[in-house]
Amino acid sequence: NAGVTQTPKFQVLKTGQSMTLQCAQDMNHEYMSWYRQDPGMGLRLIHYSVGAGITDQGEVPNGYNVSRSTTEDFPLRLLSAAPSQTSVYFCASSYSRTRASTDTQYFGPGTRLTVL
Amino acid sequence: TQLLEQSPQFLSIQEGENLTVYCNSSSVFSSLQWYRQEPGEGPVLLVTVVTGGEVKKLKRLTFQFGDARKDSSLHITAAQPGDTGLYLCAGAGPGGSYIPTFGRGTSLIVHP
Repeated sequence: NAGVTQTPKFQVLKTGQSMTLQCAQDMNHEYMSWYRQDPGMGLRLIHYSVGAGITDQGEVPNGYNVSRSTTEDFPLRLLSAAPSQTSVYFCASSYSRTRASTDTQYFGPGTRLTVL
Repeated sequence: TQLLEQSPQFLSIQEGENLTVYCNSSSVFSSLQWYRQEPGEGPVLLVTVVTGGEVKKLKRLTFQFGDARKDSSLHITAAQPGDTGLYLCAGAGPGGSYIPTFGRGTSLIVHP
């Protein structure tokens, strides 16, 4: 199993550009989520999904869109990049949406995004 | 939003020393997890505690969940350079809420 994979690993954007961060998992996990990590801020939840076709907002959803057309994939779209979106983005998955509070969350290696 | 306060924010110690990291909240959590994150990588789960007063040991690491399920601690005995990393606690709310809240983390450096 590859676990949780994320692409790209690094990305530089100009203000106003759009892009999609890819996330895939091969563990047949129901629950997937996106976090951003900024220095001194810990991990903040952007969006999450409890299964294919179901998504919901987290703590900091503004400026980001998600969709979940398959169990495996959970892409994060930046509609119009802003310097405030410079961050490290992590995708995570866990087995069961009803037990995710005690389930192990498996994190991807992260995407380091810089918006100029 | 349930807040988790971690302390200290930074810790720099010598190999062989003991240390304790704290995770505190005014809210009750149904479970609490500790993760370790190494530079350039995603967090990796160390332990999950679910019962008030629970103590779990993982080699030189000892995790404790407070009796009231509002706080937790991580104690490392005889720290080694390989323990270097960011330690994050994450709590899930009462009622089985599966949306975890992460603390801001404790950055630990263990010097050889």
